[in-house]
Amino acid sequence: ELKVEQNPLFLSMQEGKNYTIYCNYSTTSDRLYWYRQDPGKSLESLFVLLSNGAVKQEGRLMASLDTKARLSTLHITAAVHDLSATYFCAVDRSGTNAGKSTFGDGTTLTVKP
Amino acid sequence: NAGVTQTPKFQVLKTGQSMTLQCAQDMNHEYMSWYRQDPGMGLRLIHYSVGAGITDQGEVPNGYNVSRSTTEDFPLRLLSAAPSQTSVYFCASRPGGGTEAFFGQGTRLTVV
Repeated sequence: ELKVEQNPLFLSMQEGKNYTIYCNYSTTSDRLYWYRQDPGKSLESLFVLLSNGAVKQEGRLMASLDTKARLSTLHITAAVHDLSATYFCAVDRSGTNAGKSTFGDGTTLTVKP
Repeated sequence: NAGVTQTPKFQVLKTGQSMTLQCAQDMNHEYMSWYRQDPGMGLRLIHYSVGAGITDQGEVPNGYNVSRSTTEDFPLRLLSAAPSQTSVYFCASRPGGGTEAFFGQGTRLTVV
């Protein structure tokens, strides 16, 4: 069974600071996704990572994937209040179960002035 | 282009009632999925489909049925509602494996 673990689950940080969210998964996969969810809203896609060593950046967020370590990171640079949200990573199973995505429990980020 | 449309947005059911949550997408995506999200938790996969006529179970399928007669529609049926099914339900679609998912706005279901 594929398990996806995120840490930390809650993160409170000051504006201007840097931090990293970690996503570990338990079985072989090279398809990992990051999503953002604002309170009471739906999820929107941030990044799609499809190979070992993949790195994607958008604004103050940068995501990377290490398939050998089964680890993805979401790095936040110089946080601003608008980044306050819950961030989820999700991993696709491989092979015949490729349609299944397993989500982590999410990291709730609060950026304070 | 509406994307993924879920109806209803809110629903209250009595224990034992049945109902269908509707999900439609206009992006011609092959993959569609249903998730439930409980407070403070991630999304758990209920059922998914990789194309019309093909469905499979996810992590928490008990108490739910699905069918996929067309590419566009993927309804989720609650057979006999229970309080444990109180949750927010999200439908998602994507073109195929290795692609991002597009989510509907969610259905907030309360079973009393």
